[in-house]
Amino acid sequence: NAGVTQTPKFQVLKTGQSMTLQCAQDMNHEYMSWYRQDPGMGLRLIHYSVGAGITDQGEVPNGYNVSRSTTEDFPLRLLSAAPSQTSVYFCASSLVSGTGAYGYTFGSGTRLTVV
Amino acid sequence: ILNVEQSPQSLHVQEGDSTNFTCSFPSSNFYALHWYRWETAKSPEALFVMTLNGDEKKKGRISATLNTKEGYSYLYIKGSQPEDSATYLCARNTGNQFYFGTGTSLTVIP
Repeated sequence: NAGVTQTPKFQVLKTGQSMTLQCAQDMNHEYMSWYRQDPGMGLRLIHYSVGAGITDQGEVPNGYNVSRSTTEDFPLRLLSAAPSQTSVYFCASSLVSGTGAYGYTFGSGTRLTVV
Repeated sequence: ILNVEQSPQSLHVQEGDSTNFTCSFPSSNFYALHWYRWETAKSPEALFVMTLNGDEKKKGRISATLNTKEGYSYLYIKGSQPEDSATYLCARNTGNQFYFGTGTSLTVIP
């Protein structure tokens, strides 16, 4: 049982480049989300999805796109990388959305540096 | 309180000491309060999910309480051990969104 798998673990981008962070879960979780973690700040929600075909914005969505074509996958796309997007990114999933009654399972994180 | 706030920011205790931390949150639009344990170089792991005012949860030496009316939760660790060293995060759920605090970093000194 792999849980939540994130790739890559590390990435360096040049300003203006685009890339996709991959996230896959094999637990049949309905809810998936992306967070960024910056020094001195809590995990901040970028985008989330309550099921295949449904996505919505979190606290800090600008500069990021997501899609959810299957239950298992929830990729995060950086359209044109900026140094302000240097961060550690976590994907997390939960069995059911809308109630908060189930805890998150987190991926191992992607450390992204934009130069 | 607009955000989830945790205190203290960091804590050093001796092995065997008991300790506790606080998570404060807006009491409006409350669905659930989560506690996570985050060890260095790992991912956060869920400790407790609490939904009802007065909830108390326990897992081994760690326990948590919830007061939704006044907007706070306490996490207690009894007889701290070096392996308890980690950052403890709380998160408030408002339905489909979670708001995390910045965490309390605990170091247990052998």
